[in-house]
Amino acid sequence: KNQVEQSPQSLIILEGKNCTLQCNYTVSPFSNLRWYKQDTGRGPVSLTIMTFSENTKSNGRYTATLDADTKQSSLHITASQLSDSASYICVVSRDRGSTLGRLYFGRGTQLTVWP
Amino acid sequence: GAGVSQSPSNKVTEKGKDVELRCDPISGHTALYWYRQRLGQGLEFLIYFQGNSAPDKSGLPSDRFSAERTGESVSTLTIQRTQQEDSAVYLCASSGFGGRVNEKLFFGSGTQLSVL
Repeated sequence: KNQVEQSPQSLIILEGKNCTLQCNYTVSPFSNLRWYKQDTGRGPVSLTIMTFSENTKSNGRYTATLDADTKQSSLHITASQLSDSASYICVVSRDRGSTLGRLYFGRGTQLTVWP
Repeated sequence: GAGVSQSPSNKVTEKGKDVELRCDPISGHTALYWYRQRLGQGLEFLIYFQGNSAPDKSGLPSDRFSAERTGESVSTLTIQRTQQEDSAVYLCASSGFGGRVNEKLFFGSGTQLSVL
């Protein structure tokens, strides 16, 4: 069964601290893995996209890692800010030839940053 | 338009009524997705349109749900005989110009559906 599991379910950290969110998946065959940020009441916004050949990708204070062998990914947030408070969603795409195909979503990690 | 637009942003309906949700994708995007997000839950895939290919309807939860898309433009998601369990945010997303695997997916802000 194609699944995406995220941990922790929720996380509270103090402003300025770092944190790491985890994603494990069983989607096969694997095409790419994406991390999205979803603010309350808004649609998800893309942070990173990684294929199986990419181990790490950064977007400002966000750094995603991927281990395609163990089917694990992490999202590291550095020097957190209040605006980082959101749900972070891991999304895995199954290989369907040359097209985007269907995406499998994790339930997200709800991050709260306190001042 | 500049982004994916969904309407209405909020819809309150009575159990048993039909509702129609609209999505305007980014102009020129060939791929369009509908998702459902229940309170505190992850996104559930509903249906996927790619150009003129037959849509992937494998995520539609029942025959009360249907969606249409004319060419590469507007899509409508219709829910017939709504039930309380249909209450959720319905999100639409579109991507690129060929559905290539690394393309970014752009989401609308969703329609919050409440069935009383």
